Formats: sequence, structure tokens, C-alpha cells
Amino acid sequence: NAGVTQTPKFRVLKTGQSMTLLCAQDMNHEYMYWYRQDPGMGLRLIHYSVGEGTTAKGEVPDGYNVSRLKKQNFLLGLESAAPSQTSVYFCASSRGRQNSNQPQHFGDGTRLSIL
Amino acid sequence: AQSVTQLDSHVSVSEGTPVLLRCNYSSSYSPSLFWYVQHPNKGLQLLLKYTSAATLVKGINGFEAEFKKSETSFHLTKPSAHMSDAAEYFCVVSDDNDSWGKFQFGAGTQVVVTP
Repeated sequence: NAGVTQTPKFRVLKTGQSMTLLCAQDMNHEYMYWYRQDPGMGLRLIHYSVGEGTTAKGEVPDGYNVSRLKKQNFLLGLESAAPSQTSVYFCASSRGRQNSNQPQHFGDGTRLSIL
Repeated sequence: AQSVTQLDSHVSVSEGTPVLLRCNYSSSYSPSLFWYVQHPNKGLQLLLKYTSAATLVKGINGFEAEFKKSETSFHLTKPSAHMSDAAEYFCVVSDDNDSWGKFQFGAGTQVVVTP
């Protein structure tokens, strides 16, 4: 039972490079989310999706794009990486609305450093 | 609008002594409240959740939390700390009124357990 799987686990980029983070869930969840975690700030929502083919902006969407072409996958893209995007990125999924007794299930994170 | 404040950024306890992690929230509507735990280099794991049923909520690993509406608090407790409880803990609030149930994370409390 894999749950939520994030790839890669670690990555170092140079400023201006692009990359895509992949999130895959095997629980048939409708909702998926991308967060970034920075020291002392908890988790901040970047983008989210309420179903296949849908995406929406969260708190800190600038510099990121997302796609949800398949229900089980949620991709996070950095078109031109900046040092301010150095962070730990978490993907999560949930069955439905977050507050309808449905908690979020998290991946183990992707540690991204931008030099 | 919703927000959550974790009153302690760091808590240090001795093994076998009680643990208290404090969380205050603000919410315009009936909130759902969660506590998550994050062990080093891991994703977040749900400890427990409050969703307008019993005000005293029991979770995994001996943790429990009490919802106090008059105090707008949702403190997490455990009677006897174990070394494996060393981790970061996040209090999370979500408004029932949100159409998609946005999660608002606290900044986290780092728990250190000493032998």
C-alpha cells in the first residue's frame, strides 16, 4: 500500500533551470495538494486540485505551475528556478473536502535546493 | 478567515513525563481541527481530528486533544512521553464553510524528549 509517492526525493538545481516534481497516489482520492515547508512557517499551499483536469491557486502560487491530467498524478513545475524556491515540497491527497472528516495523506517530501 | 497559533515553537520533556502542546485557533464558522506529527525526513501523519463530535478526541500513540470553544483552543496532550515522540507537531484548522476546505497550518512545535 504505497499511499502518496513523491519523486524525486532530493534535487539540486541551478538558478534558471526548470524541473517537474511528480506526485502519485493510489487511493483514488479526488483532491490533491502541493505545499512547501520552510522553517518556522508550517506548510503553505502552492496549488491544489479538486479532481482530474482541474487546478487552482493556493497561498503561494507564483513561480509554479501544476497539471492534473490523470486522477492519480499531480505534477508541480518550476519553469525558471530561483533561490527563494529552495524548500521541502510536500504532496498530499484526500478523499474529498478537507473538513468533511477526510484528513490529508502526505508523501515523504522532495528536498529541493536552488543554487 | 481562519488562523492557528501554536504557542510554543519548542518543547522539551523528559521521558515518562506529560507532554502538552498548545494550539489556539480562530475561525468564522464551525471548525475542523487536526493534529499532525512529522518525524525527521518524513511526511506528515495524522494524529487525531476534531469534527464537531466529542470534544475530547483520542488519537494514535496515546495522544489526545480537547476542543474548548470558549477558549478557542485545541491543546494536545500525552500522559507519558516516549523517546519516539520526538518530532515536530502541527495544529491545523479548517472552516466548514469553505467550499473546498482549506487547511491552515500552525508554524509547528518541535518536541525534544530527553532520557
